[in-house]
Amino acid sequence: EDQVTQSPEALRLQEGESSSLNCSYTVSGLRGLFWYRQDPGKGPEFLFTLYSAGEEKEKERLKATLTKKESFLHITAPKPEDSATYLCAVQAVGGKLIFGQGTELSVKP
Amino acid sequence: DAGVIQSPRHEVTEMGQEVTLRCKPISGHDYLFWYRQTMMRGLELLIYFNNNVPIDDSGMPEDRFSAKMPNASFSTLKIQPSEPRDSAVYFCASSLLASGQSLNEQFFGPGTRLTVL
Repeated sequence: EDQVTQSPEALRLQEGESSSLNCSYTVSGLRGLFWYRQDPGKGPEFLFTLYSAGEEKEKERLKATLTKKESFLHITAPKPEDSATYLCAVQAVGGKLIFGQGTELSVKP
Repeated sequence: DAGVIQSPRHEVTEMGQEVTLRCKPISGHDYLFWYRQTMMRGLELLIYFNNNVPIDDSGMPEDRFSAKMPNASFSTLKIQPSEPRDSAVYFCASSLLASGQSLNEQFFGPGTRLTVL
């Protein structure tokens, strides 16, 4: 069964304290792994797509990496405005996305 | 582009009533998705369409739920009759197919918060 597990469920950081979020997956025939950010009361907002093991992508303070079993979202020197829920999703054979439960990130000044 | 448009943004109804949620995808996108989000179950795919044709409705919880896409610019999700356990935020998203059967990123609407009393 295709499955996505994110950890931790919640993460509290001080401003400037770097850390990583984990997304472990089991899927038959990975077509893509997606990271989204969701702010309270809004729809998820696209961050990155990774297609193959070893691939990395960066955007401002965020860097996403991918292996054959998991993906990491590294946050370098976070700011309070990075506070949000970060969702990981995998695209399985057939096209649909399977989302993890998300990691709720809180960055305190 | 205005992005994905959903209406209404909030809906409060009583158990047993019919509820219709509406979505206008981004112009030119050929995939449309309906999701439901709750604290307990997270973000769940209900159904998705490709070129207005339903491809996978295995996530539709019961026969009380139905979705249509009469044209490329409009889709509805209907619940009849509604029940309190249907209370959730319902999102619509649209996307383009990338190469090699991989999807491009999905663009989500702002969601409809449904409360069934």
